[in-house]
Amino acid sequence: GDSVTQMEGPVTLSEEAFLTINCTYTATGYPSLFWYVQYPGEGLQLLLKATKADDKGSNKGFEATYRKETTSFHLEKGSVQVSDSAVYFCALSDRAAGNKLTFGGGTRVLVKP
Amino acid sequence: ETGVTQSPTHLIKTRGQQVTLRCSSQSGHNTVSWYQQALGQGPQFIFQYYREEENGRGNFPPRFSGLQFPNYSSELNVNALELDDSALYLCASSFQGVSEQYFGPGTRLTVT
Repeated sequence: GDSVTQMEGPVTLSEEAFLTINCTYTATGYPSLFWYVQYPGEGLQLLLKATKADDKGSNKGFEATYRKETTSFHLEKGSVQVSDSAVYFCALSDRAAGNKLTFGGGTRVLVKP
Repeated sequence: ETGVTQSPTHLIKTRGQQVTLRCSSQSGHNTVSWYQQALGQGPQFIFQYYREEENGRGNFPPRFSGLQFPNYSSELNVNALELDDSALYLCASSFQGVSEQYFGPGTRLTVT
């Protein structure tokens, strides 16, 4: 079945540092890929998405590129802020499976001033 | 545009009891999916509802059941609660056939 693996946290960074969170996936079809962010005590917010190979999703300074050859969708941000402290989830959806979302385990990011 | 709302925010139940959680979908969205998020883990798909019928189910026992109403809102029912049912329950809405799902704030269920 489909699965998503992302790097374990916590990731602790100083403000303005570069952030990378690795995500790889296994899927039988051609999934869409997502990054969701969860702030403390809240639900999940869609951060960005990519629907086909070589697509780049971007939002709020975050970027991720759909790499079919390496089955990866790594999240990057060039200069993090304290407000980026949250848990980040990589996820895939497969149209053949009714677009249900399969999530990774999440990566907690803590940005210190 | 109204986002996804869920009620209640928190509740505490005793093992063996039954619980009903509610979700109102984002305006115009016709599909509702439910997820269970245990502490420190990623959400797990429970089931999806479209046109008032179950449209896909994850690896959850039959004591997890749901409904969708004509206005696309939905309920998640859990019977015979177990301690391991303690989790954040997330509802997400979408258009059928479209991959993006938008989540509500969740209901935190504690089973004692």
